[in-house]
This record gives sequence, structure tokens and C-alpha cells, in this order.
Amino acid sequence: DAGVTQSPTHLIKTRGQQVTLRCSPKSGHDTVSWYQQALGQGPQFIFQYYEEEERQRGNFPDRFSGHQFPNYSSELNVNALLLGDSALYLCASSFGLTGETQYFGPGTRLLVL
Amino acid sequence: KQEVTQIPAALSVPEGENLVLNCSFTDSAIYNLQWFRQDPGKGLTSLLLIQSSQREQTSGRLNASLDKSSGRSTLYIAASQPGDSATYLCAVRPRTRGYKYIFGTGTRLKVLA
Repeated sequence: DAGVTQSPTHLIKTRGQQVTLRCSPKSGHDTVSWYQQALGQGPQFIFQYYEEEERQRGNFPDRFSGHQFPNYSSELNVNALLLGDSALYLCASSFGLTGETQYFGPGTRLLVL
Repeated sequence: KQEVTQIPAALSVPEGENLVLNCSFTDSAIYNLQWFRQDPGKGLTSLLLIQSSQREQTSGRLNASLDKSSGRSTLYIAASQPGDSATYLCAVRPRTRGYKYIFGTGTRLKVLA
């Protein structure tokens, strides 16, 4: 049973570029949440997708957007990259909006130069 | 606004020692609290989840307690081993619509052989 998978594992971009990160939830899960973890910090909630709609959003600018597909996989898009967007981006999946446990993927490490 | 604090930020102990990691949160209106382990550059592994109605949870050498009224949780690790070296993160799920976790900044643990 595959857990949460994310791609790519590492990514290097330059300021101003756009990036797309991908996440496949654990089998049987239908809800995907995205978190940003800066170096030395705890993860911060970006947004959550359920039934292909953004259900909840954290304190992140509109440059951060997402999408959920009918197979429950999800993408995180970041436009006009800033140096401060360099971080580990974590995807977590759960079942339903009130699922008890979130399972986290290994993350995508983004470096913006 | 919910805030989660973890003390100490870093801890170094000799192998075999019992240790306690602390987590405090400012708003007692939570659904549950989770302790995670994170190895360098990796994703999160859930260790223990405590529901708001529970006082503690145990798994092997790990025991987590929750005192919701005082906004505190502790993670007790018995007979520490070098393999326990990692960052330990505490996260609370607020009693709001949706499903997100608010994380502390973690305690970086090093167990010396």
C-alpha cells in the first residue's frame, strides 16, 4: 500500500519563475493538505483540498494556488517565486474533512536562487 | 490565535537516559494533539495522537500526555537510543471548520552512543 508520494524530491528555481509540485494521497484518502516548512521552523498550513475544491486556506498570498484532480491527487503552484519561498513543501492526506490522522509525504525541497 | 511552543529547542543526552519534551499551546479549544518525528530533510512520521478527551497515549517506549486546561503536552521517551535522534514536532488541531494542524518549531534531539 503506497503512502503519500510527492514529486519532484528536489527543485531549484530562480526568482520570478513559477513552480508546480505534485502529490498523490495515500490509498483510500480523498483530502489533501499542503504545508510549507522553512528551515528550522515547524510546517505552516497553506491550504486544503477536498472534492476538488479549496476548503480552507492559511495565511499565504494568492501566488500560492492549487488544484485537486478527480483521482484525488493534487498540485501546488507558486508564481513569481521569491527567495523566501525556499522551503520543504509537505503534502498530507486524510479521509474526509474530519479524518483523524493526516499522513505526510516525504516533501519536495524547493530552492529559489 | 493559536500558538504552539516547544521547549527546549535542542537537547543532547547520553544513550539510555529517560527524557521529556515539552509542548505548550495558547488556546485549549482543540480536537487533538499529535507528536511527530522528522529526520533531517525528510517528511513527518506520526508518533502519537491524543484526542482532546484523553489524558495520555502510549506506544512502546513513548508516552504522550495532554493537559488541555493548562495548554500543555509532554512526550516522554524511555531508555533513549541513538536511533531516536531526530526533530520532534508537536501539533494541535484547533476546533475550527476544516482540518489543519498548527505546529511548534520542534525539539532537535541528539542521543549520544
